[in-house]
Amino acid sequence: AQSVSQHNHHVILSEAASLELGCNYSYGGTVNLFWYVQYPGQHLQLLLKYFSGDPLVKGIKGFEAEFIKSKFSFNLRKPSVQWSDTAEYFCAVNAGSTNAGKSTFGDGTTLTVKP
Amino acid sequence: DTGVSQDPRHKITKRGQNVTFRCDPISEHNRLYWYRQTLGQGPEFLTYFQNEAQLEKSRLLSDRFSAERPKGSFSTLEIQRTEQGDSAMYLCASSSQGADTQYFGPGTRLTVL
Repeated sequence: AQSVSQHNHHVILSEAASLELGCNYSYGGTVNLFWYVQYPGQHLQLLLKYFSGDPLVKGIKGFEAEFIKSKFSFNLRKPSVQWSDTAEYFCAVNAGSTNAGKSTFGDGTTLTVKP
Repeated sequence: DTGVSQDPRHKITKRGQNVTFRCDPISEHNRLYWYRQTLGQGPEFLTYFQNEAQLEKSRLLSDRFSAERPKGSFSTLEIQRTEQGDSAMYLCASSSQGADTQYFGPGTRLTVL
């Protein structure tokens, strides 16, 4: 069975600080990895995804994530956060095949950026 | 807006009543997923369809829950004899193929009194 662990439940940063949110997954096979963001009052939106190739993936709004297969990790980073990055961030995994169905999500990290 | 839509956005019901939610996926997507999200947790998988076929159901989906996608387009999720523990956000997502990105709707927030 797949599982996803997000280490930080709530992160508070000041504007311009650097961000790193941890995500570790448990699954024995090939995986697809995702980070979703949910801004206050809005629905889940895709931030970035990894299917294959370069393990460093870049997403929208200056976010990036690095897939480290040996560590089963897919941490999210941003060099300089803005107040508008205040949101909840979810890491998700699904089996990396054309028959992959469900995604398994972590419990999320709430990011608060102070102006 | 050609994204995933869900109706209603909010539903308040009394314990023991039946409720039905609707999801309209992105039109060209053949896969449709239902998730449930409670406060402080990430979305939990309930079930998914490829076209009209229901391919997987979670153990979370008790016999009080049923989902349909009769023509391979929109889907309904029905909860019979609701319980207070059913209070949650019910999310729908769609994708174009199995491993591709899932696009989420705004959700239906259910409150069972």
